[in-house]
Amino acid sequence: ETGVTQSPTHLIKTRGQQVTLRCSSQSGHNTVSWYQQALGQGPQFIFQYYREEENGRGNFPPRFSGLQFPNYSSELNVNALELDDSALYLCASSSQGEDQPQHFGDGTRLSIL
Amino acid sequence: GNSVTQMEGPVTLSEEAFLTINCTYTATGYPSLFWYVQYPGEGLQLLLKATKADDKGSNKGFEATYRKETTSFHLEKGSVQVSDSAVYFCAVRRGADGLTFGKGTHLIIQP
Repeated sequence: ETGVTQSPTHLIKTRGQQVTLRCSSQSGHNTVSWYQQALGQGPQFIFQYYREEENGRGNFPPRFSGLQFPNYSSELNVNALELDDSALYLCASSSQGEDQPQHFGDGTRLSIL
Repeated sequence: GNSVTQMEGPVTLSEEAFLTINCTYTATGYPSLFWYVQYPGEGLQLLLKATKADDKGSNKGFEATYRKETTSFHLEKGSVQVSDSAVYFCAVRRGADGLTFGKGTHLIIQP
């Protein structure tokens, strides 16, 4: 069984640029969630996708957007990057349902200069 | 919205000591509760979960009981090992809101 994989592992961007992060779900999972984890903090929920539609969103501005594809893989797009966007971005996949455990990838470390 | 408060570390214990990491939550209705662990250099892993009141989740010698009356989900282990050194996160989930995490507790076990 293949787990959740994310790419790239590390990324360096400058303010104002745009970035796309990618995630492949664990086999059998149909729901993907994205989280932002600042250094020394717990992950913060960005949004969730189910059946290619966003069905839940945390307190993040519209410049954070995403996609889910028919094979359940997903992208996170961030426009107009700001210094505070520097963080570890985590993707998690699960089966549908609030009681289903989410399985996390190792994350993409994004640094904004 | 949902929120989680957990004791902040670092928490330093000797091997074979008893461990308690406190966690309380705020959420409407009956959310699902989780503990995740992040070992050094690794990603987040599910440690245990409980989905209804009075449920006890357990794994690898760790236990936590869903207490609706005190809105708590404290993590316990009877005898910790050096290999338990990690950061532990308590989390709550209600509906499609995604997981709401606490700030994490850094646990250090000394031989």
